Amino acid sequence: GNSVTQMEGPVTLSEEAFLTINCTYTATGYPSLFWYVQYPGEGLQLLLKATKADDKGSNKGFEATYRKETTSFHLEKGSVQVSDSAVYFCALSEGSGNTPLVFGKGTRLSVIA
Amino acid sequence: GAVVSQHPSWVICKSGTSVKIECRSLDFQATTMFWYRQFPKQSLMLMATSNEGSKATYEQGVEKDKFLINHASLTLSTLTVTSAHPEDSSFYICSAREEGKYEKLFFGSGTQLSVL
Repeated sequence: GNSVTQMEGPVTLSEEAFLTINCTYTATGYPSLFWYVQYPGEGLQLLLKATKADDKGSNKGFEATYRKETTSFHLEKGSVQVSDSAVYFCALSEGSGNTPLVFGKGTRLSVIA
Repeated sequence: GAVVSQHPSWVICKSGTSVKIECRSLDFQATTMFWYRQFPKQSLMLMATSNEGSKATYEQGVEKDKFLINHASLTLSTLTVTSAHPEDSSFYICSAREEGKYEKLFFGSGTQLSVL
């Protein structure tokens, strides 16, 4: 079946540090890939997505590239801010309509000033 | 933007009691809602998919008689944990898909359930 593996947290970084959160996936077909972010006390929000190989999703300074050859979708940001402190979830979805998302375990990021 | 309201955000109950969690789409119609559960340091695991006006589809290993899902309207789905036990303590989160928009998926803020 489909699965998502992302790096264990928590991750603690100083402000302006470079961030990488690794995500790899297993899928039977050609999934769409997503990164969701959950800020304290809020629901998950879509951060970025990519629907086919070599696509790059980007938003709020975060980027992730759909790498079919390595089945990866690593999240990166060049310079993190305290406001980026949250839990980040990698997810995939195959098909359309009622297909639910398959999530990774989530990675908690804490950015300190 | 679209918002999904989920409440309560946390609940503590005694073993053997039932707990109802509500999930509402506030400014859109959601024909499909998903219920997830997350144990500490584990993935969000899909429990069931509910479609308005029909019975929910449960994932393998999820007891339908224990986790009652009602999706009676296009804006409301409820999950009732019946006769809760300590092992049901978990983080429950709902998501709602806007009708006709495949990738428009919005999440509630989750409910932390602790069963004593």
